[in-house]
Amino acid sequence: DAGVTQSPTHLIKTRGQQVTLRCSPKSGHDTVSWYQQALGQGPQFIFQYYEEEERQRGNFPDRFSGHQFPNYSSELNVNALLLGDSALYLCASSSGSGTAFFGQGTRLTVV
Amino acid sequence: DAKTTQPPSMDCAEGRAANLPCNHSTISGNEYVYWYRQIHSQGPQYIIHGLKNNETNEMASLIITEDRKSSTLILPHATLRDTAVYYCIVSVWGYSTLTFGKGTMLLVSP
Repeated sequence: DAGVTQSPTHLIKTRGQQVTLRCSPKSGHDTVSWYQQALGQGPQFIFQYYEEEERQRGNFPDRFSGHQFPNYSSELNVNALLLGDSALYLCASSSGSGTAFFGQGTRLTVV
Repeated sequence: DAKTTQPPSMDCAEGRAANLPCNHSTISGNEYVYWYRQIHSQGPQYIIHGLKNNETNEMASLIITEDRKSSTLILPHATLRDTAVYYCIVSVWGYSTLTFGKGTMLLVSP
């Protein structure tokens, strides 16, 4: 079982650009959540996808959007990147009512 | 805001038990206590969770007080690889949305 996989592991973008991060959930999981972790802070919830729809959303601007595909994989898109968007982006998957398991994250640096 | 309070840091000698406390005085009846840990620059790793009974698995034990207002995570024989930030989180089962605080930085020393 591959667990939760995220790609890419690292990337560097320029202010104003757009970025797409990808997540494949653990086998058997149908719910994907995204978190942002700034340096020295705990992860902060961005949004959660279930049945290809956004089920919950944290306190993040509309520049942050997502998608879930029929195979349960998910993408996180961030538009108009700001320096403050530099962070570790984490994906977590769960079955409908189960414990969440995290991937290793994507380190995004905005310059 | 996180609904839990944890000490910012703790030290433990290798081979000894590490006891990590967590206060969650406003916990609701349908909220579980979850513990995760995060080793530097990696994704959080699930450790254990419980509702009101004590729980044990291959990684740790979770002791929840009878009034459910606090809990303790016990690593029975800490190793250097247990050095990490430990997060205590309360969440409704099935909600799978986690509110992280700053956690406890556990340093295990030789």
